[in-house]
Amino acid sequence: QSALTQPASVSGSPGQSITISCTGTSSDVGSYNLVSWYQQYPGKAPKLMIYDVTKRPSGVSNRFSGSKSGNTASLTISGLQADDEADYYCCSYVGRNLVVFGGGTQLTVL
Amino acid sequence: QVQLVESGGGVVQPGGSLRLSCAASGFTFTNFGMHWVRQAPGKGLEWVGHIRYEGITKYYVDSVKGRFTISRDISQNTLYLQMNSLRPEDTAVYFCTKDLSGTWASEYWGQGTLVTVSS
Repeated sequence: QSALTQPASVSGSPGQSITISCTGTSSDVGSYNLVSWYQQYPGKAPKLMIYDVTKRPSGVSNRFSGSKSGNTASLTISGLQADDEADYYCCSYVGRNLVVFGGGTQLTVL
Repeated sequence: QVQLVESGGGVVQPGGSLRLSCAASGFTFTNFGMHWVRQAPGKGLEWVGHIRYEGITKYYVDSVKGRFTISRDISQNTLYLQMNSLRPEDTAVYFCTKDLSGTWASEYWGQGTLVTVSS
């Protein structure tokens, strides 16, 4: 099972919105609404930001939102802030009781 | 509050074995599945495996199947990852995570423990 495809990096200015894509196939992202997104600061453990494509865990800012269209899931961060600068990973259930992560996207706040 | 604390990492020679532990607290251990996820130095996250809430059914990524075994001790609220036949490419920080039931998402993460496979 191949890793999901994410852009290596994205950037935006404070206050702007950015979107990170996560592309799989019709057998994984396209087949299951079990996509999650994680935020990771250097040297720290990841933090769950979105699950089940669109749901936010308690305590996660509503500036973070998730969506999916076909085989591509997306994470949108609105009102970009300096402390949003981190690595972001998508993750999907891919069937056969397996889970795959994306390669990760480094977000830079300009 | 939920806490996951990994231990057991270290340096091991290729072909060697190591057992990682993850002490869990703040939730009913037997009601939730658990995952192991690893991250090689400077690389992305890789899912390693999962043990279902009942503690019997386990799943693994192909690259560790037959070499790694997930288990748990409910009397100690502790999750384990037994790693045998270790290879240099297994070098990574290993995280244990609590499953968000029914979602295959990792709701809580430990701080990780570093495993280095090197001669």
